[in-house]
Amino acid sequence: NAGVMQNPRHLVRRRGQEARLRCSPMKGHSHVYWYRQLPEEGLKFMVYLQKENIIDESGMPKERFSAEFPKEGPSILRIQQVVRGDSAAYFCASSPTGEKLFFGSGTQLSVL
Amino acid sequence: TQLLEQSPQFLSIQEGENLTVYCNSSSVFSSLQWYRQEPGEGPVLLVTVVTGGEVKKLKRLTFQFGDARKDSSLHITAAQPGDTGLYLCAGALGTGTASKLTFGTGTRLQVTL
Repeated sequence: NAGVMQNPRHLVRRRGQEARLRCSPMKGHSHVYWYRQLPEEGLKFMVYLQKENIIDESGMPKERFSAEFPKEGPSILRIQQVVRGDSAAYFCASSPTGEKLFFGSGTQLSVL
Repeated sequence: TQLLEQSPQFLSIQEGENLTVYCNSSSVFSSLQWYRQEPGEGPVLLVTVVTGGEVKKLKRLTFQFGDARKDSSLHITAAQPGDTGLYLCAGALGTGTASKLTFGTGTRLQVTL
């Protein structure tokens, strides 16, 4: 039973490019969460999705960031026109019920 | 505003020592979780506490939830090098399946031989 799979593990982008981060939840999990972790800081909630629906996006920046969790396929966190301040580790977590979270290994985004 | 403050931020101890990590807030949480995170990996859930005053034990780790559900502590007995890592507390403000977690800033623990 595979865990939460995130890819890529490392992503390098130049300022102004787009970043796409993918997350495949554990089998049978319909709740997906995205968190961002800056160096020496805790994880900050970004968005919570269930299949095809955004439930809570209160932690998402208003511009350039979007997330989806389609009926088929992985959840995608998309960052348009990246800036250096977007450099961080982005973690996805899934849950069968929304209470116990299982985290992936994260995607380290570096913006040059 | 950081809702969850963890202390200490860094802790370096020798194998066999005991330690306590604290997680404090002015907010009341419906539940609180403790995670451990290794470098380059995601956090792994250690325990969830729900009831005020609750104490849970996981081998050498003892977790306590404050009576008012605003704070928590993690006590490790006879620490081992394998306990090294970043310990994060995370509180849920809501109830039910839609709760998002608020994470503390973490305590980085290093246990040396």
